[in-house]
Order: sequence, then structure tokens, then C-alpha cells
Amino acid sequence: DARVTQTPRHKVTEMGQEVTMRCQPILGHNTVFWYRQTMMQGLELLAYFRNRAPLDDSGMPKDRFSAEMPDATLATLKIQPSEPRDSAVYFCASGLVRSRGHTEAFFGQGTRLTVV
Amino acid sequence: AQSVTQPDIHITVSEGASLELRCNYSYGATPYLFWYVQSPGQGLQLLLKYFSGDTLVQGIKGFEAEFKRSQSSFNLRKPSVHWSDAAEYFCAVADEGVKAAGNKLTFGGGTRVLVKP
Repeated sequence: DARVTQTPRHKVTEMGQEVTMRCQPILGHNTVFWYRQTMMQGLELLAYFRNRAPLDDSGMPKDRFSAEMPDATLATLKIQPSEPRDSAVYFCASGLVRSRGHTEAFFGQGTRLTVV
Repeated sequence: AQSVTQPDIHITVSEGASLELRCNYSYGATPYLFWYVQSPGQGLQLLLKYFSGDTLVQGIKGFEAEFKRSQSSFNLRKPSVHWSDAAEYFCAVADEGVKAAGNKLTFGGGTRVLVKP
């Protein structure tokens, strides 16, 4: 049963600490998305990758957030230093996009981050 | 830029009654449209999608949606709601994959559905 796996599921950290969230996309998918969900803002796209290359990270605060894909099986989202306003659920999703057309994005279960 | 509006933040419906969730999108070309459902503490699960062809699409769990280009709408319906349908529902739009930076999924604000016994 192919699924997107995110770790950790929950993370509580103190303000100023570094946080790293990991995502294993579905094997064979070439597109990975990072979304943040909060009550106030809903689902916000932070960044997305195609064939491991970043296509758009305009939704990310550049000074503290970074997203990478070290290889095709791992995507990471890092916050350094973390702040209380970063508290949210972070979702990773993956999909297979061909040269023309689109397929749906499959979501992981999310990482619930609390920064105190 | 593409955008999605879900006008109803909350909807309460009695079990067994019909349900319709509204979704309006703003996009210049033919969009790819999706409905996702999120149960508490869970990720988003795809209910159905529209890419082209028949404007009435069937999804999982007895849901269907109709694409109406003239109204820029993609409303979700279910004839008879079950208590397990209580969740939050998100409409989303993506553009075509011809551009290198295409295929961003843009979500609406969501509609929370409460089901009364």
C-alpha cells in the first residue's frame, strides 16, 4: 500500500531550536509539496519540488525555513530558529506529473509542530 | 493567479439528508479540480478529481461533483450523508503541467461538515 510517510508525527520544541521534518514520497512520484495548515491561514503551500529540483518556495519564510530533497526518497523541511508562530501541522504530499497533465497529490499524515 | 473560494465555513446536516458543498475557482484556462476530505488528526484524502471529459464525476464514499465552466464552480454532493462523513472538505485547483512551474495545488479555506443524528 503506497503512502507518503512523514516523521515525526508530533514535535514539541522550545523557541530557538532547530526542527527538521522528514517526508518519504511515494516511490516513482516526481513532485513533492510541503504545505502548512493553521486555523487562521488554512492550507498554505510552502514549497514544491519536481524531480528533486525546487520549483517554487515563495511561500516559505526564507530567513528561517529551508526545504531540500537529498535524494528521490527523502524530502526535508527545516526551521532554524523555530518560533511560536511556526506552530502548525506540516503536510508533505507527492504526485506524478507528466509533461502535460496532472495527477492528484497524495498526502502524508502530517507533522504537528508545537513551539513553546 | 489561481484561487479557490469555499463560501461555507460550516455546514450542519442531518444523517440521511443530502449534502452540497460549494466551490468556486478563479483560473484563466481549463483547471484541474479536486475535492479532498480531512478527518480530525489525519491527512487529506482525495475524494474525486476532474481533468476533462464528463463534467459530472464520481468519487469515493458516494460523493460526486459537477464542473460548471460558466459558473466557475465545482460543487460536491452526496445524496445521503452518514455520520462518518463528518469532516472538513477542501476544494483545490491545479494548472496544467506544460510549464515548469505549473501544477501548484491551491486550496480553498475548507468547509467543516457536522452531521446530526
